[in-house]
Amino acid sequence: AQRVTQPEKLLSVFKGAPVELKCNYSYSGSPELFWYVQYSRQRLQLLLRHISRESIKGFTADLNKGETSFHLKKPFAQEEDSAMYYCALSGITAGKSTFGDGTTLTVKP
Amino acid sequence: DTGVSQNPRHKITKRGQNVTFRCDPISEHNRLYWYRQTLGQGPEFLTYFQNEAQLEKSRLLSDRFSAERPKGSFSTLEIQRTEQGDSAMYLCASSQETQYFGPGTRLLVL
Repeated sequence: AQRVTQPEKLLSVFKGAPVELKCNYSYSGSPELFWYVQYSRQRLQLLLRHISRESIKGFTADLNKGETSFHLKKPFAQEEDSAMYYCALSGITAGKSTFGDGTTLTVKP
Repeated sequence: DTGVSQNPRHKITKRGQNVTFRCDPISEHNRLYWYRQTLGQGPEFLTYFQNEAQLEKSRLLSDRFSAERPKGSFSTLEIQRTEQGDSAMYLCASSQETQYFGPGTRLLVL
């Protein structure tokens, strides 16, 4: 069974502080992992995917297969990073995606 | 092409009525997905099309739910005999590789 767990519903940091949003998964196979972001009053959009190994808006995420984790990190949070973040998983066939329940990040000035 | 569009954006209906939602994907995308999202939860997969073929359906998609994508372009999601528990945001996404989401249709069943 596919499962994605985001243990923090809410996360609050001050501007300029490092931030880490946690994501753990279970999947019997080689998954594709994603982070999606939803800013206030906007639609859900892809932030990054593990196979791209790129940094988007200063965010990075490393797939740790041993710990089955895909935590999202940013060294210096900005106020515009305040949003809802979802971790998601899909199989190689790019069909069904399983989402976590999201973490609301608030970056305080 | 301004992205994935969904209509209507909001729907209020009485229990027992049928409702139909439409999704227009990005034109060159051959994959189309439906999800349901309730408050405090992430999107839950409902079903997935590649062109006009419905390739996967969730167990969440009871007999009251049906989805079609007749010509491999737009898709419709119909809920028959709605129940209060069907109240949710219904999201559509399309992709070639990356999923692009629509704004959703918010359903309230009274």
